[in-house]
Amino acid sequence: DVKVTQSSRYLVKRTGEKVFLECVQDMDHENMFWYRQDPGLGLRLIYFSYDVKMKEKGDIPEGYSVSREKKERFSLILESASTNQTSMYLCASSSFDLAGGPGEQYFGPGTRLTVT
Amino acid sequence: SQELEQSPQSLIVQEGKNLTINCTSSKTLYGLYWYKQKYGEGLIFLMMLQKGGEEKSHEKITAKLDEKKQQSSLHITASQPSHAGIYLCGADMEYGNKLVFGAGTILRVKS
Repeated sequence: DVKVTQSSRYLVKRTGEKVFLECVQDMDHENMFWYRQDPGLGLRLIYFSYDVKMKEKGDIPEGYSVSREKKERFSLILESASTNQTSMYLCASSSFDLAGGPGEQYFGPGTRLTVT
Repeated sequence: SQELEQSPQSLIVQEGKNLTINCTSSKTLYGLYWYKQKYGEGLIFLMMLQKGGEEKSHEKITAKLDEKKQQSSLHITASQPSHAGIYLCGADMEYGNKLVFGAGTILRVKS
């Protein structure tokens, strides 16, 4: 079974704190993704990575950075947390399918972050 | 994403009734993925469609991709409380290795 784990299920941080969200996958997937999910807005892609040390901006990268030093681990960093970053954060991983397309994404359980 | 419209936004059905959720795009869908999410948890993969006219079923859930590959529907037969949750469609729109997701449909099943 593919397993994607996230470091915390719930997190409460103060405005201005630096926040690290960790994601680990055990299926040797090339691609890893960070999304945030907000009511009525669905999933919005923050950043993704298709290889170690490689990263690409998604649709809403402002206020976030990422790190991928090892293939199995993808970290999301909030340099200075703000209240508008209160959200559910979901990590996913995938391998390319046979046709070179994105392939099915496997999701972690999510981290509900509250910034006060 | 506005590129992928899901309807309805939410749905309440009586247990035992059938229901349909739609996912529509103005662009060609090169792959369409359906996911289910229980509140506060991650997404669980249901099924994936690639070919125009393709239909797949798993237990009481059937998904179809239309011939033009711009719309998919998810149909649940004889709904049960275990079907409750958020259903999301995700699409390969040839943006490399990203999927574009719809806003989701919240399904509640009344006993």
